[in-house]
Amino acid sequence: GESVGLHLPTLSVQEGDNSIINCAYSNSASDYFIWYKQESGKGPQFIIDIRSNMDKRQGQRVTVLLNKTVKHLSLQIAATQPGDSAVYFCAESRSGGSNYKLTFGKGTLLTVNP
Amino acid sequence: GAGVSQSPSNKVTEKGKDVELRCDPISGHTALYWYRQRLGQGLEFLIYFQGNSAPDKSGLPSDRFSAERTGESVSTLTIQRTQQEDSAVYLCASSSGGKGNTIYFGEGSWLTVV
Repeated sequence: GESVGLHLPTLSVQEGDNSIINCAYSNSASDYFIWYKQESGKGPQFIIDIRSNMDKRQGQRVTVLLNKTVKHLSLQIAATQPGDSAVYFCAESRSGGSNYKLTFGKGTLLTVNP
Repeated sequence: GAGVSQSPSNKVTEKGKDVELRCDPISGHTALYWYRQRLGQGLEFLIYFQGNSAPDKSGLPSDRFSAERTGESVSTLTIQRTQQEDSAVYLCASSSGGKGNTIYFGEGSWLTVV
């Protein structure tokens, strides 16, 4: 069925390195994508979003890339810090009209080693 | 308040009992969501409220689950005759409505059914 999934369930990086977290989606009708960060025991925290009319968007130390041809989304974190350790979820929105809901992937656990 | 507020933060209940979880969205947010997150898993959509429109209940897993919302304010999620598989974090989120508006999550209500 339709789903949003992640290529890598875990990612371990050294402090200061760049991190790349990947996500695949299956519905070509999806037109809005969001990355969330979830620290242990907390709710998901919005990081960055991107609409389907864009292929790249930058925030503070984060960049989201969207490749609609292969239905792939990635989150790049520059100069990864220990505080970046968390589970990262991609989510997509696919419905039209006035209602919509997010469909989440399973998440990638990012561990930053000092 | 400044963010989405949920209560209780933790709830332990006996199998077969009913539980009620409360969510106070960010003031002025017309859209409200409930999601469920089982341990180590992604988020599952449960229900979506948008203004005075009929809610999208397509994610509710069984008729034991129901949710209400008073206008554009507080929402309650009720689980009747709880089962052990209902043990999860129940996350509430809100947004100013419409696609592309940031969705903010609360810290969740951790439910354990024993």
